[in-house]
Amino acid sequence: TQLLEQSPQFLSIQEGENLTVYCNSSSVFSSLQWYRQEPGEGPVLLVTVVTGGEVKKLKRLTFQFGDARKDSSLHITAAQPGDTGLYLCAGAPTYNQGGKLIFGQGTELSVKP
Amino acid sequence: NAGVTQTPKFQVLKTGQSMTLQCAQDMNHEYMSWYRQDPGMGLRLIHYSVGAGITDQGEVPNGYNVSRSTTEDFPLRLLSAAPSQTSVYFCASSYSIVSGNTIYFGEGSWLTVV
Repeated sequence: TQLLEQSPQFLSIQEGENLTVYCNSSSVFSSLQWYRQEPGEGPVLLVTVVTGGEVKKLKRLTFQFGDARKDSSLHITAAQPGDTGLYLCAGAPTYNQGGKLIFGQGTELSVKP
Repeated sequence: NAGVTQTPKFQVLKTGQSMTLQCAQDMNHEYMSWYRQDPGMGLRLIHYSVGAGITDQGEVPNGYNVSRSTTEDFPLRLLSAAPSQTSVYFCASSYSIVSGNTIYFGEGSWLTVV
C-alpha cells in the first residue's frame, strides 16, 4: 500500500512569515497534486506536478516534485490570513487503478494577522 | 455551472438505518468517486466508477454500495449505518482516469450516526 506522509499536521504562523509543507513517501508516484480546502467545502486543486524535479509557482506558492517522484513540497512566501486552510497532497500511483489518488493526512494552516 | 452537486449537506442517522447520499455532475465526466474524510486521515477512497455501468471498490468499501446507471449520477448507499461511518463524505468527478487529471469535488455531506 502506498502512503503519503504529510508534515507538519498543524501550523500556526504570523502574517508575513514563510512556511514549507512536506509530503513524503517511500513509493514513486506518476504525478502529485496539491489541494486547498476551506471549512465546509470540498478540496480545490491548486497544482499538478508530473516530472521529477519539476517546480511550479502560483503567485506566492511554490510547488516542487522530488527528483525521484517520491516527495513534494509546498512553500508559501509572506503568508497572508487568506492562506488559512487545510492543504492536502495527493499522489497518483504508478499502477493504473481507476485514477485512484492517495491522500496525505493534510496540514491545517492558520495565518494570524 | 453547477459542477458536482451532493445532497444532503447534513444528515443524522440512527444505528442500523439506511440512507443514500446523492451525487450528480453536469460536466459529462466519465470518472466518479466517493471519499470519506476523517480528522488526521486525509481522504480515503470508498468506491469509484470509470463509466456508466462500471464500479469498483476503493480503500474502505465495507458498509457502502454504489451504482452508476447514468453518466451523471453516482449515489452512495449506506446499508446499515454504524457510528464508525460518522464522517464527511465527498463525491468527486474527472474527465478521465489519466494520471494528473483535474478532479472536481462536491461540497461534502456531513453524516452523524448515533
